[in-house]
Amino acid sequence: ETGVTQSPTHLIKTRGQQVTLRCSSQSGHNTVSWYQQALGQGPQFIFQYYREEENGRGNFPPRFSGLQFPNYSSELNVNALELDDSALYLCASSFSSPIMNTEAFFGQGTRLTVV
Amino acid sequence: EDQVTQSPEALRLQEGESSSLNCSYTVSGLRGLFWYRQDPGKGPEFLFTLYSAGEEKEKERLKATLTKKESFLHITAPKPEDSATYLCAVRSYSGGGADGLTFGKGTHLIIQP
Repeated sequence: ETGVTQSPTHLIKTRGQQVTLRCSSQSGHNTVSWYQQALGQGPQFIFQYYREEENGRGNFPPRFSGLQFPNYSSELNVNALELDDSALYLCASSFSSPIMNTEAFFGQGTRLTVV
Repeated sequence: EDQVTQSPEALRLQEGESSSLNCSYTVSGLRGLFWYRQDPGKGPEFLFTLYSAGEEKEKERLKATLTKKESFLHITAPKPEDSATYLCAVRSYSGGGADGLTFGKGTHLIIQP
């Protein structure tokens, strides 16, 4: 059973640029969520994808967008990067059905630095 | 809006000195309370899920309990390798997303040899 993997592990971007982060979900999971974790803070929910559609979103602006692919892998895209976007970006996968939702398992994260 | 508050923010213990971490929560309809362990620069590692008041779960030196307003993570005779940040999170019917978790800021635990 493979775990959640994210790429790249580290990334440095310039303010105003765009970035794409990638996530492969754990085998058997069909739901992917993305979180932003600033230094010294708990993770904050960005959005969730289920059956290739966004089905929940936290308090993040539209320049944060995503995709989920048929193999349940996912991308997080951030446009017009700001200095405050510097953080650890975490992907989590879980299994969802109409009657149950399992716990979320996290990847190792992508450390994004915006300069 | 869901809220999770963890205390203390930081805790330093001697090896073998047992203690408890607190997680207070406010939600509209709890669908699960989760404990995670996070090492520096890594993603959170799943520990426990609790669903209803009175429920308890154990794993090695850790035991998690749940009431209607808070959860405790009890650490018995800790070892230096238990040093980490422990995160509490809730999933609710009123959460921002279908299954989005609301996290506390965590408790940074240091176990000294």
